Amino acid sequence: DSGVTQTPKHLITATGQRVTLRCSPRSGDLSVYWYQQSLDQGLQFLIQYYNGEERAKGNILERFSAQQFPDLHSELNLSSLELGDSALYFCASSFGGYNEQFFGPGTRLTVL
Amino acid sequence: QKEVEQDPGPLSVPEGAIVSLNCTYSNSAFQYFMWYRQYSRKGPELLMYTYSSGNKEDGRFTAQVDKSSKYISLFIRDSQPSDSATYLCAMIPISGAGSYQLTFGKGTKLSVIP
Repeated sequence: DSGVTQTPKHLITATGQRVTLRCSPRSGDLSVYWYQQSLDQGLQFLIQYYNGEERAKGNILERFSAQQFPDLHSELNLSSLELGDSALYFCASSFGGYNEQFFGPGTRLTVL
Repeated sequence: QKEVEQDPGPLSVPEGAIVSLNCTYSNSAFQYFMWYRQYSRKGPELLMYTYSSGNKEDGRFTAQVDKSSKYISLFIRDSQPSDSATYLCAMIPISGAGSYQLTFGKGTKLSVIP
């Protein structure tokens, strides 16, 4: 158990809908990262937050957004969902920048 | 050319064998290197974290970094069936922008046969 929690474990929804994925980092970790894993693209970085502030963006679609709250948990919002958004979404956390990143169990999103 | 290249396998070895997993990279800015193990549909589990060129050992696992060749390796000694998983290399660049995202290889699927 990495100490990073993610909810829900599974999410099945329809095209055009909006969903919210939640992540709680390990105790004491200030950075939260979101990654998307698909069969063809592998693990891709989406966005990073550090102590409530956005720090970096990767290949994140404009339909996707995220935030980190004062208690350091983070939410990833996915809107206008398309079939191609079906993937595993992972959250990771670290204490600082160059520290090890620990991953949560992931949320499996299926868009029908 | 992808920033990080990793042979996807699959790699099948008998129990007790020494396994060698490798990644090459093209971006000289990569300075921090990690190896993750991922069981099917589970979150990646951190195995090794290295910075310096050279070897780092932890139990049956040895991580090796050669920055001059832009090549990293993970060796697994006395492999066990429970080591059957996908192994992902990952890297972080030195960045003045304060960004620390991991760039992953595609992963190598390993099967250890009893």
